[in-house]
Amino acid sequence: AQSVTQPDIHITVSEGASLELRCNYSYGATPYLFWYVQSPGQGLQLLLKYFSGDTLVQGIKGFEAEFKRSQSSFNLRKPSVHWSDAAEYFCALAGSYQLTFGKGTKLSVIP
Amino acid sequence: DSGVTQTPKHLITATGQRVTLRCSPRSGDLSVYWYQQSLDQGLQFLIQYYNGEERAKGNILERFSAQQFPDLHSELNLSSLELGDSALYFCASSVDLKHSTEAFFGQGTRLTVV
Repeated sequence: AQSVTQPDIHITVSEGASLELRCNYSYGATPYLFWYVQSPGQGLQLLLKYFSGDTLVQGIKGFEAEFKRSQSSFNLRKPSVHWSDAAEYFCALAGSYQLTFGKGTKLSVIP
Repeated sequence: DSGVTQTPKHLITATGQRVTLRCSPRSGDLSVYWYQQSLDQGLQFLIQYYNGEERAKGNILERFSAQQFPDLHSELNLSSLELGDSALYFCASSVDLKHSTEAFFGQGTRLTVV
């Protein structure tokens, strides 16, 4: 069985501070991993994806994520957070025919 | 704009009723997926269609059904609605059968059962 764990339900950071959102996965094969962002009342927007190759992947809006097989992690980072980054972030794992999502991490940004 | 269109955006209906949610995938995408997002369950996979055929089922209730039409749009039918069916229903599409390519999500349909 596959699973995704996002340990932090809610994180608050100050604008301009760095950000790291944690994601751990469980999967028996090479994972395909994604980070999505959901703004209030909106759909899910793909931030970045990892399929293979370079373990540090760059995404949109200045986000990056690092795949660490030894730690079964795929943490999302941003060096300097903007107020517009306030949203809910979901890590997802692609299995055979479906995406398995974590419960999400809600990010609040203090101006 | 992801290119995936869902209608309606909002739906309010009474218990026991039946509703149909509609999804138009991105141009060229053959796979359509339906997900349910609720506060207690999070994002749950319901069902997948590929080029008109059902390919995978997740936690979809027997009261729910879906289909994908020859023009590749899909409909999710929810019947005998209960209060607990209130949720945000997302449709996603991708090029191929598996999620090894990225999936693009629509804006969702917010269903409220009263």
